[in-house]
Amino acid sequence: AQTVTQSQPEMSVQEAETVTLSCTYDTSENNYYLFWYKQPPSRQMILVIRQEAYKQQNATENRFSVNFQKAAKSFSLKISDSQLGDTAMYFCAFMTHTGTASKLTFGTGTRLQVTL
Amino acid sequence: GAVVSQHPSRVICKSGTSVKIECRSLDFQATTMFWYRQFPKKSLMLMATSNEGSKATYEQGVEKDKFLINHASLTLSTLTVTSAHPEDSSFYICSAPEGFTQYFGPGTRLTVL
Repeated sequence: AQTVTQSQPEMSVQEAETVTLSCTYDTSENNYYLFWYKQPPSRQMILVIRQEAYKQQNATENRFSVNFQKAAKSFSLKISDSQLGDTAMYFCAFMTHTGTASKLTFGTGTRLQVTL
Repeated sequence: GAVVSQHPSRVICKSGTSVKIECRSLDFQATTMFWYRQFPKKSLMLMATSNEGSKATYEQGVEKDKFLINHASLTLSTLTVTSAHPEDSSFYICSAPEGFTQYFGPGTRLTVL
């Protein structure tokens, strides 16, 4: 069974600064997807970024980028130029590549607070 | 990205009644949808996988007779909490995949009195 670990329950960053959220996972699979989702106070889950395991290049989406280390089974999220609207719970998630979309395994989440 | 809706967003019911929650994929079709439960300040716990045209697959420990799932069409899945009790009060979220990415509904807050 796959597991996802987020070791930072809470983090704080000042506006305009950079913060990195950590995520490690355990799997025996070779093909899979990794995701970061954001859950603001509204509780709507929003996709931040995704990474296919077979791609060596790290995914980027504007101010969000990942550091994907497949051998180390690590998938950290870097948020640059943090904004107040980035305040949210961030969940790392894993999905096995079975040919169709399958269920997600979530980490326990990291609560990020962006301050002035 | 793809849009998933949920209805209702909030429901309060008396103990012993049944509550139905709808999950719709608005601009894409989904043969599979997923139902999650989330306790305050906790992660999402997968309850079941809804399959269009066939029975749902439930996770271990989830009572299939209590949480009835029907995937009526390629854009609609429903979760019915039968004979609800206060311990069923929670935040329920559905998701639907487009390609290999899951998109989530806004959630339903259920309160059982």
